[in-house]
Amino acid sequence: AQSVTQPDIHITVSEGASLELRCNYSYGATPYLFWYVQSPGQGLQLLLKYFSGDTLVQGIKGFEAEFKRSQSSFNLRKPSVHWSDAAEYFCAVGPYTGRRALTFGSGTRLQVQP
Amino acid sequence: DAGITQSPRHKVTETGTPVTLRCHQTENHRYMYWYRQDPGHGLRLIHYSYGVKDTDKGEVSDGYSVSRSKTEDFLLTLESATSSQTSVYFCAISEEGSNEQFFGPGTRLTVL
Repeated sequence: AQSVTQPDIHITVSEGASLELRCNYSYGATPYLFWYVQSPGQGLQLLLKYFSGDTLVQGIKGFEAEFKRSQSSFNLRKPSVHWSDAAEYFCAVGPYTGRRALTFGSGTRLQVQP
Repeated sequence: DAGITQSPRHKVTETGTPVTLRCHQTENHRYMYWYRQDPGHGLRLIHYSYGVKDTDKGEVSDGYSVSRSKTEDFLLTLESATSSQTSVYFCAISEEGSNEQFFGPGTRLTVL
């Protein structure tokens, strides 16, 4: 069975500081990995995705993530956090085709201090 | 933004009443999904559809049914709502050949 673990429920960083959100997955085949962001009261917006190729992927809003197969990880990073990045972040894993849905982690809530 | 709407956006109902939530897309995507979001659980799949009249169960399907009679509409029905079904419900879509999912704005359902 596939699963996603986001070990940090809540993270607080200062504006301008760097950020890394952790994601570990368990999946029996080649994973298709995603990071989504959810602002309060909003739906989910895709930040970035990885299926194959370069293991460092760039996304929107200055985010990037690195796929490490040996560690079953897909951590999200941003070099300098902005106050508008305060939100909840979800990592997800699934198959490449759409017949089966994604499995989501429980989320990491990011708070940004001025 | 992907053309996905959900209705209603908010609903309060009483235990034992039937409830239907609607997801409507204008993207002509083949796949549609219903998730529920609860604190500490992320999003969990309720049901999904891989075409008109083709649906399958997700991990938390008990107490829910779905129907898809047209490509653009995917209905989620709670036959007899319970307080444990109080949640935020999200619809998502994806197109053939990709599992990149686009999400609707959500429906907040409260069962008293």
